[in-house]
Amino acid sequence: DIQMTQSPSSLSASVGDTVTITCRASQGISNSLAWFQQKPGKAPKPLIYAASSLQSGVPSKFSGSGSGTDFTLIISSLQPEDFATYYCQQYQSYPLTFGGGTTVEIK
Amino acid sequence: EVQLVESGGGLVQPGGSLRLSCAASGFTFSDHYIDWVRQAPGKGLEWVSRIRNKANSYTKEYAASVKGRFTISTDESKNSLYLQMNSLQTEDTAVYYCARIISGAYYHDYWGQGTLVTVSS
Repeated sequence: DIQMTQSPSSLSASVGDTVTITCRASQGISNSLAWFQQKPGKAPKPLIYAASSLQSGVPSKFSGSGSGTDFTLIISSLQPEDFATYYCQQYQSYPLTFGGGTTVEIK
Repeated sequence: EVQLVESGGGLVQPGGSLRLSCAASGFTFSDHYIDWVRQAPGKGLEWVSRIRNKANSYTKEYAASVKGRFTISTDESKNSLYLQMNSLQTEDTAVYYCARIISGAYYHDYWGQGTLVTVSS
C-alpha cells in the first residue's frame, strides 16, 4: 500500500495568513493526488485533483503543486471559513489511501 | 444537481450485518465509478470499496480490512449503490460516505453526507 504522510498534523494561523501543508507519498504516484477540506460533522469537500487542478467552484486562494512523491497545498489569505481539516489522497493505485489530516486552527 | 444520499446506518451488535444504501440523482448513474469511504469517530478517512461503471462491467475493489465481509453492489434501475456489511466488528464503527468518481478520471467530485454505523454490544 502507498502511505501518505501529511505535515504538520495541526497548525495555528491568523485570518489573512498564508499556510502550507505538505503531503509525501511512500512511492511515486505521478500527479494522482487530491486534496479535501473537511469541517466538523460534514462530508469531505474536494478541493484539488491531479495535484494542481481546482475542482469546480473552488476559489483560487487554494493552490496545489507537486509530482511524484512530494506535494503541497497552499491556502492564501485565510478566512474564518477556511479553518478546517485538510486531507490528501492518492488515487494512483489500490487501495486508495489518505493522509492523516492537517487541522488548521485559529490562532 | 448531483446528489448522493446515504441511508441504512444504525446500531448493530458485533458479528451482525447491515446494508447501507446510496441513492444517486442528477447524473447518469451507470456512467460513473462510485466509492464507499469511511471515517471512524475522531479519525481520518479510509477507502472501503469501489464499483466501476457499466462500461467496465461493474467490477469491484475492496480494502483488505473489509474484503470477504463487505459486498458492494448496484441497482441501475434504482440509481442506487449498496454496501452489504457482514461479520461487523467494533472497528467498523464509522460514518460511511459514498463518493462519485468523475467520468474518465479517477478522482472524487461529489460526496454524500454520510451515514453512521455503530457496532457495539
